[in-house]
Amino acid sequence: EPEVTQTPSHQVTQMGQEVILRCVPISNHLYFYWYRQILGQKVEFLVSFYNNEISEKSEIFDDQFSVERPDGSNFTLKIRSTKLEDSAMYFCASSEGARVQYFGPGTRLTVT
Amino acid sequence: GQQVMQIPQYQHVQEGEDFTTYCNSSTTLSNIQWYKQRPGGHPVFLIQLVKSGEVKKQKRLTFQFGEAKKNSSLHITATQTTDVGTYFCAPDTGTASKLTFGTGTRLQVTL
Repeated sequence: EPEVTQTPSHQVTQMGQEVILRCVPISNHLYFYWYRQILGQKVEFLVSFYNNEISEKSEIFDDQFSVERPDGSNFTLKIRSTKLEDSAMYFCASSEGARVQYFGPGTRLTVT
Repeated sequence: GQQVMQIPQYQHVQEGEDFTTYCNSSTTLSNIQWYKQRPGGHPVFLIQLVKSGEVKKQKRLTFQFGEAKKNSSLHITATQTTDVGTYFCAPDTGTASKLTFGTGTRLQVTL
């Protein structure tokens, strides 16, 4: 069964550093998403991406965040200058369009 | 913005007991999805409800969408240890772009 994959599974970085989280969505899906989950809390929407552009973003997704689909398979989330409060699990998801979203296993980001 | 509350936040049951989580929205929903997240895992889609008053069953799980399309429930009959995890509702207000997850109900099942 096709699945969303994410790398790395765990990323440790120092405050102020840039990180890039990578995702490979399910191949025939057209909509891509990033969510984050701070430990013990609910899953929060960050951004959605369709047709090579951002379709919606939350207030969390400020100028420090960007997304890109650099080729036909990868979907990346970049955080330019990480802060301690960016520490969280970041989930990538994709959907064919019917709004049922399939989540990847997540990348645990730890900012020290 | 839309407020989505789930109750209870946490429930601990003994294996074999039933469990119900409720999801309440401040606004009318076009549809609602339910996801399960195992400890240390990622959200996994369970079901989508679209019609007012809709009831769907998946083995021991029964999902219901309220008549006014503002609330939903998930009921598990005779829980098993494999049911352990956090159950999130994710209402859809009509925009195709995002899921707004509820606060979640963490279920713990012991023998």
